[in-house]
Amino acid sequence: DIVMTQSPDSLAVSLGERATINCKSSQSVLYSSNSKNYLAWYQQKPGQPPKLLIYWASTRESGVPDRFSGSGSGTDFTLTISSLQAEDVAVYYCQQYYSTVTFGQGTKLEIK
Amino acid sequence: QVQLVESGGGVVQPGGSLRLSCAASGFTFRSYGFHWVRQAPGKGLEWVAFIQSDGSNKYYADSVKGRFTISRDNSKNTLYLQMNSLRAEDTAVYYCAKNGVPAAGTYYMDVWGKGTTVTVSS
Repeated sequence: DIVMTQSPDSLAVSLGERATINCKSSQSVLYSSNSKNYLAWYQQKPGQPPKLLIYWASTRESGVPDRFSGSGSGTDFTLTISSLQAEDVAVYYCQQYYSTVTFGQGTKLEIK
Repeated sequence: QVQLVESGGGVVQPGGSLRLSCAASGFTFRSYGFHWVRQAPGKGLEWVAFIQSDGSNKYYADSVKGRFTISRDNSKNTLYLQMNSLRAEDTAVYYCAKNGVPAAGTYYMDVWGKGTTVTVSS
């Protein structure tokens, strides 16, 4: 099974500042035949289901603000929030879908 | 609008059984694979199972293999999760989620239900 490890486990960032969350997979999730990274990011607020933010490592889901961006390839990925807003307080998860599905353990993002 | 609504959760004793349902609307159900994902109280997301659009392929997490069965009825636009031999560690909110791509295999999940709570306790 592919193990997904996020860092840090929690993060406190000031409003308007940049937030960066990392995700590392135990093996590459880059599919060579189509050059796509099978990696997604989700946001989960308390009492709500997860919400898809990013797929194919860097494609923003429709309706997601452009302050959210995804980058990386192979085994190392990053979710960046360019200017933190109050409504971005949540837990963020990465997910690989290269070989069935596994999620990272989550990163809790708070306001400093 | 695109919607998934889970039902069937409840309190069950260890060793008992429960069947969850997920009713879909607003899209062509038979074209997509579906997942069950669970979240224990205060914990992260755990993928449970996946079923392909035509039901021909099913995958399970090791933690539920042999105890849980995923199925679907494309005529009723409904996904199911039959859970047998339940354990305390199966206590969680169970979400159904739609594959983001109408193709074979597991992908990202673009639509989620609100979840149904399963509590395994004596």
